[in-house]
Amino acid sequence: SQTIHQWPATLVQPVGSPLSLECTVEGTSNPNLYWYRQAAGRGLQLLFYSIGIDQISSEVPQNLSASRPQDRQFILSSKKLLLSDSGFYLCAWAVRDRVYEQYFGPGTRLTVT
Amino acid sequence: AQSVTQLGSHVSVSEGALVLLRCNYSSSVPPYLFWYVQYPNQGLQLLLKYTSAATLVKGINGFEAEFKKSETSFHLTKPSAHMSDAAEYFCAVKGGSYIPTFGRGTSLIVHP
Repeated sequence: SQTIHQWPATLVQPVGSPLSLECTVEGTSNPNLYWYRQAAGRGLQLLFYSIGIDQISSEVPQNLSASRPQDRQFILSSKKLLLSDSGFYLCAWAVRDRVYEQYFGPGTRLTVT
Repeated sequence: AQSVTQLGSHVSVSEGALVLLRCNYSSSVPPYLFWYVQYPNQGLQLLLKYTSAATLVKGINGFEAEFKKSETSFHLTKPSAHMSDAAEYFCAVKGGSYIPTFGRGTSLIVHP
């Protein structure tokens, strides 16, 4: 069966520091991968999605970036965090021919201080 | 274009009472519709999905939803609420877009 991992689970970082969040999927090949953010009391905001290695689309202009160095690995990064980057970050995957059905990881709670 | 509207950011019910969470959608093509549940500090879990087969869809944990094209609705129901149902619920639609669109979520509060 398929499994999705995210780490770290929680992170507290000062403003201006770099960020690296990692997501990996097991048990499937060529998945579509997604990064979402949930701010407190708000819905899901799609940040990036990827249909393959080095094929990444950005949905929202910001100081975040994403990379996909391997088929089942998706990384969210920032060079300098802002207070507004605080939130709950969720990685998700979908089967290539059923992209509408997404499976989510456990999330990373990021607090920027 | 596609969108979903979840009516009510919070719904409060007593344990054992009917749960009704409302979702209306807009889509330029026949939609696929989903309900997800999110427990505190966890990721989203697919509860059920409508993909143009039966209009009444049964999901996990006793939840079900009915697709009503004439009302552009996909409301989520459960006959009897349990304390463990307390969570955030998200409706999502996939129309012509490559990616599903999520609603803003409804927080279900269950009172003993």
